[in-house]
Amino acid sequence: RKEVEQDPGPFNVPEGATVAFNCTYSNSASQSFFWYRQDCRKEPKLLMSVYSSGNEDGRFTAQLNRASQYISLLIRDSKLSDSATYLCVVDGSARQLTFGSGTQLTVLP
Amino acid sequence: DTEVTQTPKHLVMGMTNKKSLKCEQHMGHRAMYWYKQKAKKPPELMFVYSYEKLSINESVPSRFSPECPNSSLLNLHLHALQPEDSALYLCASSQVAGNSPLHFGNGTRLTVT
Repeated sequence: RKEVEQDPGPFNVPEGATVAFNCTYSNSASQSFFWYRQDCRKEPKLLMSVYSSGNEDGRFTAQLNRASQYISLLIRDSKLSDSATYLCVVDGSARQLTFGSGTQLTVLP
Repeated sequence: DTEVTQTPKHLVMGMTNKKSLKCEQHMGHRAMYWYKQKAKKPPELMFVYSYEKLSINESVPSRFSPECPNSSLLNLHLHALQPEDSALYLCASSQVAGNSPLHFGNGTRLTVT
């Protein structure tokens, strides 16, 4: 089983839709969780950290479910500019940050 | 604008060439990383420097040689690369290694001919 798993998608949604991605992790001792976004041929950029109590930044909400060992990212009122690959990152068994394989999102006009 | 600066942005090199990739950060971060990324794949960790010491080498071939001259600089020396080494090479930094978020540079797109 991979340490961090994501649904690769692609997710194709219309503008204004709400879309959610999940990311499961295998190490129950993981403490640090992040969502990154990567545009085509660009570097990954930190979107948000994920806190135990859940956190929100504008249209983006991140949640952590320790019991089921997954994190989620919810995007409300999708914009064309949200089209990107979304990568979850978790500190793994080697105490290093491990990337999921990424979920591709395309927001359609 | 990224706070981690990488040069060059693009590099084409032959299999017998020697070249170096450079990375600089001035955020006071004590961990610096090299990642390799192929198309449609996530970044793959190569090396981690923590407090200027190499702490992780993910079984990277010796044709890749990292160097950390000081806390702000990270180099990756390349020698006798293969065409399959063509990829985007990303430098990143974080406050400390292991649990603080990574800040990436723009990357160097490397083509080995």
